[in-house]
Amino acid sequence: DTAVSQTPKYLVTQMGNDKSIKCEQNLGHDTMYWYKQDSKKFLKIMFSYNNKELIINETVPNRFSPKSPDKAHLNLHINSLELGDSAVYFCASSQVPTGGTGELFFGEGSRLTVL
Amino acid sequence: QKEVEQDPGPLSVPEGAIVSLNCTYSNSAFQYFMWYRQYSRKGPELLMYTYSSGNKEDGRFTAQVDKSSKYISLFIRDSQPSDSATYLCAIPQGGKLIFGQGTELSVKP
Repeated sequence: DTAVSQTPKYLVTQMGNDKSIKCEQNLGHDTMYWYKQDSKKFLKIMFSYNNKELIINETVPNRFSPKSPDKAHLNLHINSLELGDSAVYFCASSQVPTGGTGELFFGEGSRLTVL
Repeated sequence: QKEVEQDPGPLSVPEGAIVSLNCTYSNSAFQYFMWYRQYSRKGPELLMYTYSSGNKEDGRFTAQVDKSSKYISLFIRDSQPSDSATYLCAIPQGGKLIFGQGTELSVKP
């Protein structure tokens, strides 16, 4: 039973389009995240939600809109896609906002290619 | 200066070799240090964590922290082809994990 699942796993789209990625976790965690991993494997936080409330917004362009309908789900909508948005987007969850042991549980990623 | 820096590699070693992966960090207040492993086309998963200075061993893996030089290391003994992955150091700070750039390791049979 997958702990953190993301859909879709692959997206290929044209510049200017809008796309969404969905994430669900069945671990009972209160905190969920979106991370972006670039082509050089650098992993950087975008957003963090704790119990549906946005707690971290890491200077991400406002074309990116996260939404958490409940604490088990976190979605990411991207408007007006640009070439530089091509990356792998990872959803993750943790029991509490990261601290202490800092263990995050990641999904398998959604690979976005913008043409 | 980045908060966490890691040699991106790639690193290629023969099976059975000892592997040393390293990161440096800038903030002396950091207390927890983590290593995540990421297989190709998968999400990262926690491998080990250490608190403050010293060593922690788990099977063939040893994590080491030197707070005086702000240096963290992961050693892999008797490396196996199944260890081929990207290894990322990570430090929790301000409700998020700050990752190093990741080192891609390939262990050749």
